[in-house]
Amino acid sequence: DSGVTQTPKHLITATGQRVTLRCSPRSGDLSVYWYQQSLDQGLQFLIQYYNGEERAKGNILERFSAQQFPDLHSELNLSSLELGDSALYFCASSVDLAANTGELFFGEGSRLTVL
Amino acid sequence: GENVEQHPSTLSVQEGDSAVIKCTYSDSASNYFPWYKQELGKRPQLIIDIRSNVGEKKDQRIAVTLNKTAKHFSLHITETQPEDSAVYFCAATDDKIIFGKGTRLHILP
Repeated sequence: DSGVTQTPKHLITATGQRVTLRCSPRSGDLSVYWYQQSLDQGLQFLIQYYNGEERAKGNILERFSAQQFPDLHSELNLSSLELGDSALYFCASSVDLAANTGELFFGEGSRLTVL
Repeated sequence: GENVEQHPSTLSVQEGDSAVIKCTYSDSASNYFPWYKQELGKRPQLIIDIRSNVGEKKDQRIAVTLNKTAKHFSLHITETQPEDSAVYFCAATDDKIIFGKGTRLHILP
């Protein structure tokens, strides 16, 4: 158990819909990262938050948004869903601001299926 | 931005043999290179990492090498065992952790 909690574990929805994925980081971790894992595409970095502030942005679509709340949990909002958004979405957390200071602890992921 | 290329995408080795996975990166500012292992249906977990001021690091059967000049780094697994079967991801980090597309390692009995 990494200490990172993601909900829901599985989600099935239709094209055009909107979903919210939730992540609670490890106790004491201030950074939260979101990654998208599709078949043959590895782990695509979406966005990082540190202590409530956006820290770094990757290939996140405009239809997607995220935020980190004062209690440090984070939510990833995916809207106007398309079939290609079907993927496993991972949240990861770490202690530090900088991405290069150490280990990322991943949650179990939220598997999104868009029909 | 940083781009990480990883090869091969699939690798099959006989149990007991060695496996080597190679990665290249584009941003010379990257200074931290972790490797993650993802077993089927599980989350990625860090197995070893190396920083840019070190050329090689070893942890039991696993070793990583880094060539900063050539911007490439490699994962070496010796005496492979069935439990080594998984997908392995390399990553390069400056201000973002950018992962390669992964290598699916099969250990053949």
